[in-house]
Amino acid sequence: EPEVTQTPSHQVTQMGQEVILRCVPISNHLYFYWYRQILGQKVEFLVSFYNNEISEKSEIFDDQFSVERPDGSNFTLKIRSTKLEDSAMYFCASQVTGGGQPQHFGDGTRLSIL
Amino acid sequence: LAKTTQPISMDSYEGQEVNITCSHNNIATNDYITWYQQFPSQGPRFIIQGYKTKVTNEVASLFIPADRKSSTLSLPRVSLSDTAVYYCLVGDYPGNTGKLIFGQGTTLQVKP
Repeated sequence: EPEVTQTPSHQVTQMGQEVILRCVPISNHLYFYWYRQILGQKVEFLVSFYNNEISEKSEIFDDQFSVERPDGSNFTLKIRSTKLEDSAMYFCASQVTGGGQPQHFGDGTRLSIL
Repeated sequence: LAKTTQPISMDSYEGQEVNITCSHNNIATNDYITWYQQFPSQGPRFIIQGYKTKVTNEVASLFIPADRKSSTLSLPRVSLSDTAVYYCLVGDYPGNTGKLIFGQGTTLQVKP
C-alpha cells in the first residue's frame, strides 16, 4: 500500500538554526498538510497546500515557517530560526482529493531543539 | 467545525468487543464523522468514516443514530496491538481546506 514517507525520523538542532523537514506524499495525491504534536498534547494543524500554494494556515504557522513543493514528489516544511517551543513531532499528510477523503499521514519527524 | 466529546481513556481485555462513543451535538447537515487511530511515535491512521446509519470495513464498524448527535466506533475482538489513541473528528472538510481538528482522543488500553 502506498505510504507517506518523512525524513529524517529525528532531527536535533540548536536554537536559532534553520531546519527543513521533508515529506514524500503519495504519488497521485493533490492536497498536502503539515501537523505537529507536542509531547503529550493534541495533534495540531499547521498548514494545507494545494495547487502550489497555501490554502489555509493556523496561527502557529507564523513568518518563521514556510512550505514548498520543489518538485513533483517532495513537500517540505522549513523553520527559519528555531525556538525551544518548536520541539515536537511534525507529521506530513496527503489526500487524493479534498471533500472528506481520508488524509494519509507519515510517521513523523521528531524535532528536538537544544 | 462541530465540537466532539469522547472518553479520555478505556480499558479492555483481549478478545472483547470495544465500543467508543463520541458526542457531537452540534453536528451540521454536511458533516461527516471520521475516526483515526494513533500508535505511539506514529502518525494518525484513518480507520473509518460515515455520514449516517452503519458503516463497516475490515477493521471496525461505525454506528450513527438517526439524529447524528453521537457515533460509536466498534472494534471487534480487540488484541494487544489495538492499544492506541482513537480520535473522533467531525467536519465537512470543504474543498481544499480540509484541515483536521483533533481533540485529546480516547486512549484504549488492551490487557492480556
